[in-house]
Amino acid sequence: AQSVTQLDSQVPVFEEAPVELRCNYSSSVSVYLFWYVQYPNQGLQLLLKYLSGSTLVKGINGFEAEFNKSQTSFHLRKPSVHISDTAEYFCAVSPTLRTDKLIFGTGTRLQVFP
Amino acid sequence: ETGVTQTPRHLVMGMTNKKSLKCEQHLGHNAMYWYKQSAKKPLELMFVYSLEERVENNSVPSRFSPECPNSSHLFLHLHTLQPEDSALYLCASSQDLGIPFFGQGTRLTVV
Repeated sequence: AQSVTQLDSQVPVFEEAPVELRCNYSSSVSVYLFWYVQYPNQGLQLLLKYLSGSTLVKGINGFEAEFNKSQTSFHLRKPSVHISDTAEYFCAVSPTLRTDKLIFGTGTRLQVFP
Repeated sequence: ETGVTQTPRHLVMGMTNKKSLKCEQHLGHNAMYWYKQSAKKPLELMFVYSLEERVENNSVPSRFSPECPNSSHLFLHLHTLQPEDSALYLCASSQDLGIPFFGQGTRLTVV
């Protein structure tokens, strides 16, 4: 069975600093990978997705992620964070594009300090 | 209204109460979902409806009862809940079971 590991439950960072949120998955088959963001008291919003093609994927709000098949990772990065990036970030993986097969990680809380 | 709308946003109920959560999507999608989000746990898929037919029920206790009267509306009927059922309940919709679009959630507290 597939699984998703987000090793860091919390990541504190100062404003304008770079950040990386780690995501590793276990799967013996091809996968589709996603990052979602959840702002306080909100639902989940799709940040970016990897379906095929270039391993570097750009998303909304200046975020990007790189698919590394050999390391089974899909880390999320931003070169300079803002206070408004404070949120919970969820990595998700699926063997198909069907929502009912989507497996989520436990989330990483990004806290940006002034 | 746009996107996926959930009501109420917050709900406090006793263990003997009966209540319902409502979800409405304005995206023209043909699939809808209920998820449970508990602290420090991965998002759990509870129910999936595609073209108003239930396609998945992930071993959810019978005290949770979904209803999908049409492709735009989804309900979650609650009765005799337990304190451990307290969580954020998220509704989502998609086209052809594709990438989901989430609502803002209902924060449920069982006392």
